[in-house]
Amino acid sequence: EAQVTQNPRYLITVTGKKLTVTCSQNMNHEYMSWYRQDPGLGLRQIYYSMNVEVTDKGDVPEGYKVSRKEKRNFPLILESPSPNQTSLYFCASSLGSFHQPQHFGDGTRLSIL
Amino acid sequence: GQQLNQSPQSMFIQEGEDVSMNCTSSSIFNTWLWYKQDPGEGPVLLIALYKAGELTSNGRLTAQFGITRKDSFLNISASIPSDVGIYFCAGQSTQGGSEKLVFGKGTKLTVNP
Repeated sequence: EAQVTQNPRYLITVTGKKLTVTCSQNMNHEYMSWYRQDPGLGLRQIYYSMNVEVTDKGDVPEGYKVSRKEKRNFPLILESPSPNQTSLYFCASSLGSFHQPQHFGDGTRLSIL
Repeated sequence: GQQLNQSPQSMFIQEGEDVSMNCTSSSIFNTWLWYKQDPGEGPVLLIALYKAGELTSNGRLTAQFGITRKDSFLNISASIPSDVGIYFCAGQSTQGGSEKLVFGKGTKLTVNP
C-alpha cells in the first residue's frame, strides 16, 4: 500500500530542545515536501526536495532544516524550536512533478511550550 | 506574495444537493489542484488541471481550470454524508525559475443526512 509515514504523530516539547520529525515514503517518489497548517492560514510550504541531496526553501523556511540523504526519507529538523512553531505539520510526496503533492502523511501535531 | 481566495468559507447542505466552490486570484497559475481533508488526516488529491478551460471529472466531482488562468471551480453533484470535510484548492506557478505552490484556506463542507 502506498504510504507516507510521519513520526511522531503528536509531540509536546519545550522551547530550545532540538527535535526531528521523520517522514518516509514507500513509492520511490522523487519529490518530497513539508507543510505546516495553521488556522486561518491554510497549508504553507516549508521546504521541498526534488531528489536525493537536492532541497530548496518553500514559503516559510525560517527555523527549519531538512535533509535528503536517501530517496525514501525526508526528515524535518527544528534545531531550536519556539512557540510560534506550534502547528500541524504534513509531509507529502509525488512522482516527478513536484508541484503536485500526491500523497500526504497523516500529520504531526507539535506543541512548543 | 501570491494569494488564493477560496469561497465559500463553509457550506451547510442537505444530502442530495449539488455543491459549488471556487478559488480566485490576481495571479496566473499553470496548474490547479483540488484536495479534500478529513479530520485527523492529511489532504487527498482529488483532481489536477493543467490547461486553461480544461474540465475534468472524478466520479461526482467536476473541476474546471478558468480561461483566464486566475481561477478554478469545483462542483460536487448529489452530495452524500461522506463528502463532509475541508476542500482545498492549490495553484502552481513559475516565479524566477522556481516552481511555487500556494493553497487556498479551504471550504468546510457539512452534509446533513
